Amino acid sequence: ILNVEQSPQSLHVQEGDSTNFTCSFPSSNFYALHWYRWETAKSPEALFVMTLNGDEKKKGRISATLNTKEGYSYLYIKGSQPEDSATYLCAYNFNKFYFGSGTKLNVKP
Amino acid sequence: EAQVTQNPRYLITVTGKKLTVTCSQNMNHEYMSWYRQDPGLGLRQIYYSMNVEVTDKGDVPEGYKVSRKEKRNFPLILESPSPNQTSLYFCASSQQGPTEAFFGQGTRLTVV
Repeated sequence: ILNVEQSPQSLHVQEGDSTNFTCSFPSSNFYALHWYRWETAKSPEALFVMTLNGDEKKKGRISATLNTKEGYSYLYIKGSQPEDSATYLCAYNFNKFYFGSGTKLNVKP
Repeated sequence: EAQVTQNPRYLITVTGKKLTVTCSQNMNHEYMSWYRQDPGLGLRQIYYSMNVEVTDKGDVPEGYKVSRKEKRNFPLILESPSPNQTSLYFCASSQQGPTEAFFGQGTRLTVV
């Protein structure tokens, strides 16, 4: 079983704060790294799929970077809004999917 | 509308009574998989299928069976459910290769 770790486990920020989370994964035999956003009582929804070392992806105020050599990815949220409150999951994809346990973000108005 | 449909959404059953959770996708995806989500453990893959008649074990396959007779359907079968299979289950599908997965709405199963 591969180990995918996310930190922090939870995060409480004020509206307007910028924040970031970390996903660590095995650096050997890399194939793809996924980020998903999971709101309470809904299904996870894809944010990014990243495959190349040094890759940087952006969707609105959310962006992600990837370092496959050292085995980590960062997810950034600029100017957090209450609607950003959700659990953010990363998944290491190598045939199977290995999900981290997520970072739960709570943005207070 | 592109979607992954799971049924039922909620199920309470008794130990030992066989059940099936259905999963269907309308996106012609090759890859389908099942996950269970337990507090503090994130999503753990139960089984996956890379195409019709091709299935393989994920990290937590014990107590589960799957089949992939058609591309669109990937049912999860619990032959003899036990209380430790009480969990939230998700089905997901994707194209082959590093592409995003689409998740079903989830099935909350309680085994008493």
